[in-house]
Amino acid sequence: EVQLVESGGGLVQPGGSLRLSCAASGFTFSSYEMNWVRQAPGKGLEWVSYISSSGSTIYYADSVKGRFTISRDNAKNSLYLQMNSLRAEDTAVYYCARLPLPWGQGTLVTVSS
Amino acid sequence: QSALTQPASVSGSPGQSITISCTGTSSDVGSYNLVSWYQQHPGKAPKLMIYEVSKRPSGVSNRFSGSKSGNTASLTISGLQAEDEADYYCCSYAGRGVFGTGTKVTVL
Repeated sequence: EVQLVESGGGLVQPGGSLRLSCAASGFTFSSYEMNWVRQAPGKGLEWVSYISSSGSTIYYADSVKGRFTISRDNAKNSLYLQMNSLRAEDTAVYYCARLPLPWGQGTLVTVSS
Repeated sequence: QSALTQPASVSGSPGQSITISCTGTSSDVGSYNLVSWYQQHPGKAPKLMIYEVSKRPSGVSNRFSGSKSGNTASLTISGLQAEDEADYYCCSYAGRGVFGTGTKVTVL
């Protein structure tokens, strides 16, 4: 079964850091491009970041550029999102996704003092 | 990169057909046949309804269909049912991704 499982979410103060992880199983992870997508409470879906299968090509949404870093470890079938200088507006459920499918179940990140 | 433009709301009576538009640019929707549509009920995760413009995943009703013309993609729901009431999002996913602004579908 193809599965993506996120972890690492939680409550963090403004200006703080958090690292999200996504464990992939059921498919050849190293062959696929991966993404992070988020959804703030009561808001729409927002694409956050993309990484190619080898990790050589990376894109970010303007809203997170310079603060977030996407990476992957193909040997560990894992995707990561390092989030620094977090702001209240980064509060959202973060999904790991092999667009268009599958998506993980999401992990909630809350930025608040 | 700006979000793809969708109407904020679309409504229809049971049994009718409705169409949701998704307008992008020649850099996203217009360049690639990598457009998907998601349905999201309140408090639930998004569900994939259409991928690669017009393909339906296994298990998705054939009442849902997708198309594209130029920089605009469209999702049509035929034979509207009460369970179709939800938010719908389009997505262009060729590398640098972008989602639509979202459309609330109301069944009258």
